[in-house]
Amino acid sequence: AQTVTQSQPEMSVQEAETVTLSCTYDTSESDYYLFWYKQPPSRQMILVIRQEAYKQQNATENRFSVNFQKAAKSFSLKISDSQLGDAAMYFCAYRAGNQFYFGTGTSLTVIP
Amino acid sequence: KAGVTQTPRYLIKTRGQQVTLSCSPISGHRSVSWYQQTPGQGLQFLFEYFSETQRNKGNFPGRFSGRQFSNSRSEMNVSTLELGDSALYLCASSSRTGGRDEQYFGPGTRLTVT
Repeated sequence: AQTVTQSQPEMSVQEAETVTLSCTYDTSESDYYLFWYKQPPSRQMILVIRQEAYKQQNATENRFSVNFQKAAKSFSLKISDSQLGDAAMYFCAYRAGNQFYFGTGTSLTVIP
Repeated sequence: KAGVTQTPRYLIKTRGQQVTLSCSPISGHRSVSWYQQTPGQGLQFLFEYFSETQRNKGNFPGRFSGRQFSNSRSEMNVSTLELGDSALYLCASSSRTGGRDEQYFGPGTRLTVT
């Protein structure tokens, strides 16, 4: 069974610092996709970054980057130069075939 | 392009009642998925519809059902509501089923069962 685990229910980071959110997943599939979504308080969930499993290169989107370790089934999100607007719930998600699996989320607090 | 819209945004129902939630996907998107979000449980997948056909179903009781219309709009119905059904129900649309395409989420419907 496919599962996604986010072991850090809450994290905090000082403004302008770097923080890493962890995510592990369990799968027997070889072709899949990984995503990080951000859900700001009382606002819609939006995509932060995605990674194709067949790509060895880690995805980056401006201040957001991932550390994708396929063998370890690990997919962490690094946020550099944290900003107040980064405060949100972050969900790691895995997609194989036509179904998404989400982790339980990590609530990120940014301290001014 | 207009985003995913969900109506109503808030609902208060009594235990035993039924409720219908609506979702309008992004224009051109044919896949609509529904999720239940509760604190500590994250997003639990309910079902996915693609071109009016249910493609996937999560591990929820039969009280939860859905459908999709020819214009891709989707409805979710919950019958015989229980207190534990109180949650944020999210709808997400995608241009196709499977692949690298992301899902675009609506604002959700906050259901409170009393």
